[in-house]
Amino acid sequence: QSVLTQPPSVSAAPGQKVTISCSGSSSNIGNNYVSWYQQLPGTAPKLLIYDNNKRPSGIPDRFSGSKSGTSATLGITGLQTGDEADYYCGTWDSSLSAEVFGGGTKLTVL
Amino acid sequence: QVQLQESGPGLVKPSQTLSLTCTVSGGSISSGGYYWSWIRQHPGKGLEWIGYIYYSGSTYYNPSLKSRVTISVDTSKNQFSLKLSSVTAADTAVYYCAREVRLKDYGDSRTWFDPWGQGTLVTVSS
Repeated sequence: QSVLTQPPSVSAAPGQKVTISCSGSSSNIGNNYVSWYQQLPGTAPKLLIYDNNKRPSGIPDRFSGSKSGTSATLGITGLQTGDEADYYCGTWDSSLSAEVFGGGTKLTVL
Repeated sequence: QVQLQESGPGLVKPSQTLSLTCTVSGGSISSGGYYWSWIRQHPGKGLEWIGYIYYSGSTYYNPSLKSRVTISVDTSKNQFSLKLSSVTAADTAVYYCAREVRLKDYGDSRTWFDPWGQGTLVTVSS
């Protein structure tokens, strides 16, 4: 049972837009910044979003992040088959005194 | 650009100690400003943060694993290491090392991991 809650799976057609939610509490998302990671099959996670909504260099602007209250959202527009991956949210939990992650969301591009 | 590479035994017997090393290239651990973390992923599951070390040797561990974890650093080799004692089958996982940014913004923590090593599978079995 992960501290942060994500939907197990989402799907959409190529070219469409999808959002992935990450729900937490005041001890984690509510009072700390969120990061997002993309894990392509058989590879290590890769940073997509940090500080709730900032993209590292090299990450296309098709990827976006937002936060409101105790939830965060990853948005992906112009879906490509290469976007098929597992996506994880992460943040610091002040009560647990540990970095915590969501259980991951598998994106399928139909 | 900074790259990380994990190394160590892929098979550990129950009750023994798991030992892994992460070698950092393209940048110096001693330059400061970053924390060096271990994260694991159980087969088919999500991510679990294990802990971090700063180049000075200061460490912080996930309370859920704290009693069994030791992270150390060797700045002369630009490496940091993980030891996990008294392992069981539940410790079978892919272990990743990663560079962590940890900042504060009026009390709110700003943390992220970038880059990550490729990961190494450690199986606990007799």
